[in-house]
Amino acid sequence: KAGVTQTPRYLIKTRGQQVTLSCSPISGHRSVSWYQQTPGQGLQFLFEYFSETQRNKGNFPGRFSGRQFSNSRSEMNVSTLELGDSALYLCASSGGTGGSEQYFGPGTRLTVT
Amino acid sequence: QQQVKQSPQSLIVQKGGISIINCAYENTAFDYFPWYQQFPGKGPALLIAIRPDVSEKKEGRFTISFNKSAKQFSLHIMDSQPGDSATYFCAASIGGTRGNKLVFGAGTILRVKS
Repeated sequence: KAGVTQTPRYLIKTRGQQVTLSCSPISGHRSVSWYQQTPGQGLQFLFEYFSETQRNKGNFPGRFSGRQFSNSRSEMNVSTLELGDSALYLCASSGGTGGSEQYFGPGTRLTVT
Repeated sequence: QQQVKQSPQSLIVQKGGISIINCAYENTAFDYFPWYQQFPGKGPALLIAIRPDVSEKKEGRFTISFNKSAKQFSLHIMDSQPGDSATYFCAASIGGTRGNKLVFGAGTILRVKS
C-alpha cells in the first residue's frame, strides 16, 4: 500500500497570506489527523477528521481550519498567516477506530516571511 | 492532565549498548501508548505501541515496558546501532469514540556512537 502523501512538501508565504495544504491518507483509512511540529512547542494536535466530520480539535485559533472529502483526502487551511505559523505540518492517517495506529506523512514545511 | 513528560532530552549510547527513554503521564483515561522515530526531514514513523492490559511488548530490538500504577512507560532499544540515531517521541491517546488525538512527549535525541 502507498503511504500517506502530502503536498506541497515546501511552501514559502508572506505574513497575512493564506495557505492550503493537502493530505492523501493510506487507502482504506477514514481518519486523518493534522499536527504542527515546531522546535519550541514540539508536536501539537490540530484536528482530526473522520468520514468528512471533524471529530477532535486542538487548541489552535480559528485561523486554522480543515476539511475532509468523501474519498478521505483532507485539506487544512491557515488564513492570515503569522510568522509563528512557520512549522512542519504533518498529516496522519488511521483506520478510524479511536486509539488505533496512526501513520504519518512526510509533512509540509511552511515558512512564513 | 493532558501532558506526557519525556526524559532524557538527549542521549548518547555506544554501539551495542541499551538505549532507554522514559515517559510519564497523568491522565488515567489514556489507553494507547505509541512510540515514534523521526529522522531529519521525515515524518514520524510508528515503531511500537502498547495498551495498558500488558506490561511489556517486544518487537525485534525494541521493547516497551509499561507500569500502569506508576503511570510510566519506557522504550528500550537493545544492541543500539548508529542507524538508530534519531529523535524518539512517546505519545498517548484516549481511544474508543474519542478518536485519535495523540498527545506527544517533547522528544529524545538519540545518538549512537560507533
